[in-house]
Amino acid sequence: QTVVTQEPSLTVSPGGTVTLTCASSTGAVTSGYYPNWFQQKPGQAPRALIYSTSNKHSWTPARFSGSLLGGKAALTLSGVQPEDEAEYYCLLYYGGTWVFGGGTKLTVL
Amino acid sequence: QVQLVQSGAEVKKPGASVKVSCKASGYTFTGYYMHWVRQAPGQGLEWMGWINPNSGGTNYAQKFQGRVTMTRDTSISTAYMELSRLRSDDTAVYYCASSLDIAVAGLDYWGQGTLVTVSS
Repeated sequence: QTVVTQEPSLTVSPGGTVTLTCASSTGAVTSGYYPNWFQQKPGQAPRALIYSTSNKHSWTPARFSGSLLGGKAALTLSGVQPEDEAEYYCLLYYGGTWVFGGGTKLTVL
Repeated sequence: QVQLVQSGAEVKKPGASVKVSCKASGYTFTGYYMHWVRQAPGQGLEWMGWINPNSGGTNYAQKFQGRVTMTRDTSISTAYMELSRLRSDDTAVYYCASSLDIAVAGLDYWGQGTLVTVSS
């Protein structure tokens, strides 16, 4: 069974920079896993932020960026705002099927 | 604008089936895949599968094979997810989400979610 692993929680100060990562139990994450990133706030549906590693949707704020880093997919938030406090999920593609990571709870403090 | 509007909350008994709908508007329904994702209370997101509304082709996560059926009605731009032999741990919010293709474009638009409660 494939497992996708994210940091359970991270804390960042307003205005700071933070990087969330997403690892696969099958090995290094590459562009062929088409990493997606989503933001979810309590009581809301997930909102798509990034697709195919680093591509932003038209509504994605510029401070969010995606990349590959050290064999993992990564989501970097630069100039963090209080409204960025949320749960963040990555999603990886495995040849027809998808697997979500367990999520990272980001606290802005 | 793109909208995915899901059916209302359901309460089911263990062993029963539930069918959740997702009505699409603002785009060509047959041009986008539809995925189904669920989230148990206080838990993370879990991908269940997708349907190609154009061909009717499906691909389900192994965990749900044999219990889930995804269908569509192109005449009313609506996708359906039916889960059978419900158990208490199927209690979750079920979401539909669209994607332009099978992988590259990612999941973009999401429905508002449908709470399914399984309880005796």
